[in-house]
Amino acid sequence: DAGVIQSPRHEVTEMGQEVTLRCKPISGHDYLFWYRQTMMRGLELLIYFNNNVPIDDSGMPEDRFSAKMPNASFSTLKIQPSEPRDSAVYFCASSSGQGIKAFFGQGTRLTVV
Amino acid sequence: RKEVEQDPGPFNVPEGATVAFNCTYSNSASQSFFWYRQDCRKEPKLLMSVYSSGNEDGRFTAQLNRASQYISLLIRDSKLSDSATYLCVVSQAGTALIFGKGTTLSVSS
Repeated sequence: DAGVIQSPRHEVTEMGQEVTLRCKPISGHDYLFWYRQTMMRGLELLIYFNNNVPIDDSGMPEDRFSAKMPNASFSTLKIQPSEPRDSAVYFCASSSGQGIKAFFGQGTRLTVV
Repeated sequence: RKEVEQDPGPFNVPEGATVAFNCTYSNSASQSFFWYRQDCRKEPKLLMSVYSSGNEDGRFTAQLNRASQYISLLIRDSKLSDSATYLCVVSQAGTALIFGKGTTLSVSS
């Protein structure tokens, strides 16, 4: 079975550019989560969706970040404009319920120079 | 105070050793508990859920103390392949999983 699929795996971009990260959750999962991981802060929840509807976006750092889930099989996380402090690994995860185990994608390693 | 706190380590142990990791959580309404494992430059993967009565999966034993808001993971007979970062995870009703920063284990021969 295919797991959570994220693209791209690596992204290097210049400060000020727009960055779009993509995620395909596991089929049948109705929860999708976006996390960011850095050495300093660990894994932080950015936003999560239930049945394509954003439920909690309190973890989104600022207005430069936005996330969408137009359908059950696709989500995007956009950063515009990007800044060097956005450099991190961004993980997408999905689950078949709330508060139960989630399965992670391989992550997108973002470097903003 | 962070929601989930762990000793970052690193824990350096020889093969065959027994090692224990501890984790505390701040929200008494937490209902679900897990240990995840993360290898270097990889995604977190579920190691085991943690149940109130304690549970075991091979060499791994997880314990939960709700009164003290404390979770533990015991690894017996450590293997080289156990070297990884172990993440303590909790959630409350209606929330997503909240991760600790992880404890790094290094098992040497």
